[in-house]
Amino acid sequence: EAQVTQNPRYLITVTGKKLTVTCSQNMNHEYMSWYRQDPGLGLRQIYYSMNVEVTDKGDVPEGYKVSRKEKRNFPLILESPSPNQTSLYFCASSLRVGNQPQHFGDGTRLSIL
Amino acid sequence: AQKVTQAQTEISVVEKEDVTLDCVYETRDTTYYLFWYKQPPSGELVFLIRRNSFDEQNEISGRYSWNFQKSTSSFNFTITASQVVDSAVYFCALSEYIIQGAQKLVFGQGTRLTINP
Repeated sequence: EAQVTQNPRYLITVTGKKLTVTCSQNMNHEYMSWYRQDPGLGLRQIYYSMNVEVTDKGDVPEGYKVSRKEKRNFPLILESPSPNQTSLYFCASSLRVGNQPQHFGDGTRLSIL
Repeated sequence: AQKVTQAQTEISVVEKEDVTLDCVYETRDTTYYLFWYKQPPSGELVFLIRRNSFDEQNEISGRYSWNFQKSTSSFNFTITASQVVDSAVYFCALSEYIIQGAQKLVFGQGTRLTINP
């Protein structure tokens, strides 16, 4: 089954404790992206990756890191989480960019205390 | 920069009513794509439709229809004979050109649709 898998689905943690949200897709997609969803703001892009070893900042990259060592995986790293990073996070992938619908993971709800 | 506006934050209607969700966009690109996604209460994002800027034909899929008008930069979504299962947050999105060969999606703020029995 074609899917984008995010883990964990839920996490409550404390300020400053490094965390990683994993994202894996099994569709051989080139393009992957991370979004955060906040009330009244829709989805905003954090980082995106055009292909292996090619990543770039989206609209709200501050406080986040990503890597793309393999085509299928695109982890999101919060080196020193802060309460303003409490949000619902989505990973997405598509065959290419722009004209292709994105396939989204089920979301990760992060709470930073 | 490109922008997508969904002016209706929340809409509530009674089952079987028709409802239209508005989407207005701004872009300088001549070639672009518009999308609608549905987010039901379970939280996942579901792709509904894609439309490119050169195709202004309206589209109908069952009870769903989409009206794309370049002249007013709008891509509105209508649900006919709404059902409780249509209750969700709906997002309109526009593909934005970044650099050579790269684009990204810009999302609207979303419209929360509640269908009451």
